[in-house]
Amino acid sequence: GENVEQHPSTLSVQEGDSAVIKCTYSDSASNYFPWYKQELGKGPQLIIDIRSNVGEKKDQRIAVTLNKTAKHFSLHITETQPEDSAVYFCAAIFNTDKLIFGTGTRLQVFP
Amino acid sequence: DGGITQSPKYLFRKEGQNVTLSCEQNLNHDAMYWYRQDPGQGLRLIYYSQIVNDFQKGDIAEGYSVSREKKESFPLTVTSAQKNPTAFYLCASTYSGLAGVYNEQFFGPGTRLTVL
Repeated sequence: GENVEQHPSTLSVQEGDSAVIKCTYSDSASNYFPWYKQELGKGPQLIIDIRSNVGEKKDQRIAVTLNKTAKHFSLHITETQPEDSAVYFCAAIFNTDKLIFGTGTRLQVFP
Repeated sequence: DGGITQSPKYLFRKEGQNVTLSCEQNLNHDAMYWYRQDPGQGLRLIYYSQIVNDFQKGDIAEGYSVSREKKESFPLTVTSAQKNPTAFYLCASTYSGLAGVYNEQFFGPGTRLTVL
């Protein structure tokens, strides 16, 4: 069935360290994988996305990698800052019209 | 200033009452979505609409209803049949471009519904 698994559920890092969040998906036909950041009491905001025709994408301190064979993708945040603290969601597109979300990772960056 | 608005931000209702959550977008997006968010469960799709006057059930449609009479608006009604309606409700929209090419979903600020 349609499923996206996300790990870990919580992640605590020291400011300046890197953070990695991993997701796996069930549908090999999925071709779009966005990552969203959600701050407390607000709607999610897209921070980066990747399509199946590339293996890696970077945007400043954020990068996403995709392994289509293994059906997993990861979010990498380098040089973390306290303002990176939030809940992060991965998602994958199913049947070209539905996004299925992971269960979220609460990232805490300690000064 | 384009975006998605949801109102109200907080909503309280008595058990057994229907309540309607508003979602409006001025992004000229074709597709609109309603999600429910519970702690530790991510976002679950309730209903979605890819065009005016048409909508489809998502994964948890029971106890909910929607309408799409205008491109800009996609209201969600939480009926008394919904067993556990207390949750954070998020509306989203996206531009439907080329077939098979998916675009970013933009989210509204959400409505927190509490059933008393």
